[in-house]
Amino acid sequence: QVQLVQSGAEVKKPGASVKVSCKASGYTFTSYFLHWVRQAPGQGLEWMGIINPSDDVTTYAQKFQGRVTMTWDTSTSTVYMELSSLRSEDTAVFYCARDKGHQNYYASSGYYDYWGQGTLVTVSS
Amino acid sequence: QSALTQPPSASGSPGQSVAISCTGTSSDIGDYNYVSWYQQYPGKAPKLLIYGVNKRPSGVPDRFSGSKSGNTASLIVSGLQAEDEADYYCSSYAGSNIYVFGTGTKVTVL
Repeated sequence: QVQLVQSGAEVKKPGASVKVSCKASGYTFTSYFLHWVRQAPGQGLEWMGIINPSDDVTTYAQKFQGRVTMTWDTSTSTVYMELSSLRSEDTAVFYCARDKGHQNYYASSGYYDYWGQGTLVTVSS
Repeated sequence: QSALTQPPSASGSPGQSVAISCTGTSSDIGDYNYVSWYQQYPGKAPKLLIYGVNKRPSGVPDRFSGSKSGNTASLIVSGLQAEDEADYYCSSYAGSNIYVFGTGTKVTVL
């Protein structure tokens, strides 16, 4: 069965960076796009960006441009999201989510059919 | 890219229907049929309810339905049940490989 298993909770100081991992299993890793989504405490979902594990293409939300880097390791079917210059407002749960794609052609759809369990990142001095 | 606009809350009694709107612009909802809806319980990851405006993944009850008109998408929950009490989010493609979520709606079953 499809599973996305994320790394554990992190506590970081302002100005530091955090790198969250998301290990995929149960499907062909390079056949599906993956997204990262942020949810601050008591707040809504916020799309951060998308990564295509098959062709080295990433797209980031303008809000996170310059601070976020999404990478992957095909050998371990793992994607990573690194957020730098952390501030207290970055305290949130970060989710990875698989893109369902389309039945007849290879492209992202924005339909998140499987989600990781979430990783809480706390930014505090 | 601004978040899509949803009402903060909606409510209904068991058995009733509740409709949740999701308003975007001509650059997202109005221009693409890549609209999806998610249900989220506290402390849990969201779950895909509707994709492609009005398609349901297997396992999602047909009490959940979606539609779109112009720049606004809607989710209707019919025959409201206690377990439908949750937060609901819409999402849309916004062009250039960019996606956007709605602000979220808390549904209360009275």
